[in-house]
Amino acid sequence: DAGVIQSPRHEVTEMGQEVTLRCKPISGHNSLFWYRQTMMRGLELLIYFNNNVPIDDSGMPEDRFSAKMPNASFSTLKIQPSEPRDSAVYFCASRYGTGGSYNSPLHFGNGTRLTVT
Amino acid sequence: LAKTTQPISMDSYEGQEVNITCSHNNIATNDYITWYQQFPSQGPRFIIQGYKTKVTNEVASLFIPADRKSSTLSLPRVSLSDTAVYYCLVGDSGANNLFFGTGTRLTVIP
Repeated sequence: DAGVIQSPRHEVTEMGQEVTLRCKPISGHNSLFWYRQTMMRGLELLIYFNNNVPIDDSGMPEDRFSAKMPNASFSTLKIQPSEPRDSAVYFCASRYGTGGSYNSPLHFGNGTRLTVT
Repeated sequence: LAKTTQPISMDSYEGQEVNITCSHNNIATNDYITWYQQFPSQGPRFIIQGYKTKVTNEVASLFIPADRKSSTLSLPRVSLSDTAVYYCLVGDSGANNLFFGTGTRLTVIP
């Protein structure tokens, strides 16, 4: 099991540029989550998908942020245009199960550290 | 949504047992209690989960009293490598067990 794979590990970009973060969930997991972590706000849930369908994007800070999951093995988080305040570590997580009595834990990737100058 | 309260930070010497308590006064009947550990530059990692009484695995123990309004994560004989932030989450199998609080920053001292 390779775990959740995120790319790139680090991204440095200039304000106004488009940024795309990528995530490959664990095979067989049918829920995928995007989080953002900063010192000031901690870990924030941005959006999550069940069976490739976006369920709740209320955590997405602005229209500049968008996320897609075209298939069960790939998701992207895009920021366009990027701003310095978007600088953070972005984590992707996946888990098995979309409900029921079993409370499946989240499996996180190692994150993408984004710096917008 | 059950709110959790944990100490902001704790220090412990190597070899000691560490107990981190999480308060969740409005826990619901279907809610589980889940603990995660996060090292610097890594994503959170699942440690242990429980519903009631006591759960033990190779990493930690989780003690949950009968009223379930709190839980205690117990780390036996900590080492320097246990220095991390520990998060307590409470929720059911749906969408309300996805929210991380501020966590407890544990520092293990030689």
